[in-house]
Amino acid sequence: NAGVTQTPKFRVLKTGQSMTLLCAQDMNHEYMYWYRQDPGMGLRLIHYSVGEGTTAKGEVPDGYNVSRLKKQNFLLGLESAAPSQTSVYFCASSYGSGGWQYFGPGTRLTVT
Amino acid sequence: GQQVMQIPQYQHVQEGEDFTTYCNSSTTLSNIQWYKQRPGGHPVFLIQLVKSGEVKKQKRLTFQFGEAKKNSSLHITATQTTDVGTYFCAGRGTYKYIFGTGTRLKVLA
Repeated sequence: NAGVTQTPKFRVLKTGQSMTLLCAQDMNHEYMYWYRQDPGMGLRLIHYSVGEGTTAKGEVPDGYNVSRLKKQNFLLGLESAAPSQTSVYFCASSYGSGGWQYFGPGTRLTVT
Repeated sequence: GQQVMQIPQYQHVQEGEDFTTYCNSSTTLSNIQWYKQRPGGHPVFLIQLVKSGEVKKQKRLTFQFGEAKKNSSLHITATQTTDVGTYFCAGRGTYKYIFGTGTRLKVLA
């Protein structure tokens, strides 16, 4: 049981480059989330999904896109990276909307 | 929109002292969760409170949910160096959770 895994762990991008972060969970959870964590800002919800094939915007969705083609995977895309997107990105999943969230280990992204 | 504030932002305590962090929401919450994040790690779920006025204990940790379901607190008795980390509350509004800004706890041995 791996829980929630994220790839890659670290990445450095140049402004304007694109990339995709992958999140995978093996707990058969319906709900999946993408957060970003910045110093002094806590965890801010970017996008979330309540099931396969569905996605919704969170607090800070601009500049990001997501897809949930398979129940166990939730992808976060940056089409044209900006320095303001330098952050630590966490994926999480939960059984239901009220369930507690299991977090992945995080991806540290630097955009120069 | 819904906002969840946490105070203090930082707290340094001597080992053995008590510690409390407070969480306040701008709206009534259906429930509240608490998470701990060790330095360099990811948030880990601690507990969920659902009922108005609910109090739950986990060893030296005591969690409370306010009567109006708009605030919560986490109290640690006799802190240890293993308590170091950032503590987050997450309040559930209509259908998703909003995380507080966190309280970073440093314990001096």
